Amino acid sequence: EPEVTQTPSHQVTQMGQEVILRCVPISNHLYFYWYRQILGQKVEFLVSFYNNEISEKSEIFDDQFSVERPDGSNFTLKIRSTKLEDSAMYFCASSSDRIEDTQYFGPGTRLTVL
Amino acid sequence: GQNIDQPTEMTATEGAIVQINCTYQTSGFNGLFWYQQHAGEAPTFLSYNVLDGLEEKGRFSSFLSRSKGYSYLLLKELQMKDSASYLCAVREEGGSYIPTFGRGTSLIVHP
Repeated sequence: EPEVTQTPSHQVTQMGQEVILRCVPISNHLYFYWYRQILGQKVEFLVSFYNNEISEKSEIFDDQFSVERPDGSNFTLKIRSTKLEDSAMYFCASSSDRIEDTQYFGPGTRLTVL
Repeated sequence: GQNIDQPTEMTATEGAIVQINCTYQTSGFNGLFWYQQHAGEAPTFLSYNVLDGLEEKGRFSSFLSRSKGYSYLLLKELQMKDSASYLCAVREEGGSYIPTFGRGTSLIVHP
């Protein structure tokens, strides 16, 4: 069964450094998402992406964050200057050709900012 | 905005049945999801309800009452591997198709 994949599984970085988290959505899906989950807390929406542009973003997704689809398969989340509070699990998700369809999540990247 | 409420933790015995409730308050409703999340892993889709009633899928069933702002996830013939967090997520109508997640219910299944 097709899956969303993410790399790396764990990323450790120093405060102030830039990180890029990578995702490969399910191949025939058209909607892509990033969520984060701080340890012990609920899953929070960051951003959705469709047709090579951001379709929706939350207040968490400030100027430090950006997303890109650099080629036909990858979808990336960049955090420009990481802060301690960015430490969380970051999940990529994708859904098919209708925005109301179910989202399928990748295994996540655990980001630790020191 | 939305307010989604689930119990924090539940325990049950292997082989038993457990019902996990979710109540929500939204200005408009456009679907409710249940996801399973094992510790340190991604949420895995279990069910989707948009109309009132019961949706059955193997050992798992999900019920929705839109007028009461209420859903439950029913797990039958519990297995140890069902120990996980169960997330209720609600989508509002009117523009956004992004579901808002509740804090999740941690289910512990013991022998």
